[in-house]
Amino acid sequence: GPKVLQIPSHQIIDMGQMVTLNCDPVSNHLYFYWYKQILGQQMEFLVNFYNGKVMEKSKLFKDQFSVERPDGSYFTLKIQPTALEDSAVYFCASSSQGDSDYTFGSGTRLLVI
Amino acid sequence: QQQVRQSPQSLTVWEGETAILNCSYENSAFDYFPWYQQFPGEGPALLIAIRSVSDKKEDGGFTIFFNKREKNLSLHIKDSQPGDSATYFCAASENTGNYKYVFGAGTRLKVIA
Repeated sequence: GPKVLQIPSHQIIDMGQMVTLNCDPVSNHLYFYWYKQILGQQMEFLVNFYNGKVMEKSKLFKDQFSVERPDGSYFTLKIQPTALEDSAVYFCASSSQGDSDYTFGSGTRLLVI
Repeated sequence: QQQVRQSPQSLTVWEGETAILNCSYENSAFDYFPWYQQFPGEGPALLIAIRSVSDKKEDGGFTIFFNKREKNLSLHIKDSQPGDSATYFCAASENTGNYKYVFGAGTRLKVIA
């Protein structure tokens, strides 16, 4: 079936540096999401995005986080600067409608050292 | 505060047995409950879902039993196979037109041949 691609699959970065996580959503999907999963815990909602705008963000979506999707290219999550507690797996998802099921990517495993 | 709870944390069954995975929730406004299956190194994939107007949903060997009054549901995997070994996440969302899921912490299922 259609897939969401996440690039890179793994990233190690020094604390304080900037990191950009890239997501290539399903081609006809219009809604995009980021979730964060710390090892052994549940996935937690970070943000959703539609029509070029953030619709809703959670308390986990700190000021250092930002998302964008310039002109149909990758949907990105940028963290600047990174902190140790940002180490997690970040899952991107997309859906065709706001109330339709997600397609998830395989995640980006981010390690901040 | 965990809004969606899953039990058990891990479950081992023999091939051919029925695996029963439990999920409970707190928010009465939740009305849609997808179950996601995740294999190691992959993103979660939608398995089966139920709306709160139903009390049962079947798809192949997977059945959801839903109890709105008790705010719990269970996923039954009939005739479990080793290929069903994965982590299963229960999720919940409200019908706000701005879907975001609240996930449980998952049940790690192992099916032994």
